[in-house]
Amino acid sequence: DAGITQSPRHKVTETGTPVTLRCHQTENHRYMYWYRQDPGHGLRLIHYSYGVKDTDKGEVSDGYSVSRSKTEDFLLTLESATSSQTSVYFCAISESVGFGNTEAFFGQGTRLTVV
Amino acid sequence: KQEVTQIPAALSVPEGENLVLNCSFTDSAIYNLQWFRQDPGKGLTSLLLIQSSQREQTSGRLNASLDKSSGRSTLYIAASQPGDSATYLCAVLQGAQKLVFGQGTRLTINP
Repeated sequence: DAGITQSPRHKVTETGTPVTLRCHQTENHRYMYWYRQDPGHGLRLIHYSYGVKDTDKGEVSDGYSVSRSKTEDFLLTLESATSSQTSVYFCAISESVGFGNTEAFFGQGTRLTVV
Repeated sequence: KQEVTQIPAALSVPEGENLVLNCSFTDSAIYNLQWFRQDPGKGLTSLLLIQSSQREQTSGRLNASLDKSSGRSTLYIAASQPGDSATYLCAVLQGAQKLVFGQGTRLTINP
């Protein structure tokens, strides 16, 4: 299994509080991603990173920010949690080793409940 | 905007049958297509990766094909087993190294 650790694995938080999820990898992969998974919507990209301090938005980035100060860590912050951000969050990593030869690996997920 | 569709959304078959899962995508400008398996409450496990220049990939009882020009991929599972029960997701890799996912097919293999 790819060395990806998400923390925490479960969290319950109150509306309006900030929350930070952490993704840690031991594979030294360049690309890191945050997805959320919701019934009826599948997996949707929130933010991704293509290097230290290099990040970009995905399709559902509103209300989220990210930071990557080291290759191995990618943080996702919910600036002021809302009930609509209750979801399962997945971190993924990938590395390009040739055109089209980029395989993505996923962490075990963080289940976040905003009450 | 790339859209990925998986049909059917759910499938139930008896053990031992061969089966095919379908994945279609609207934009053929992809780098590769990846099939994943997801067990309830778990993360995604990569099953097969097909690069855009390839037509198929095989791993054990699994065979995935890719027809980029028609925007289709299939995942063939031979001699299905109860342990194959899971949700199967396909995803296409586009520019900027972004994966776009289908919503998955929930597969149940009945003993």
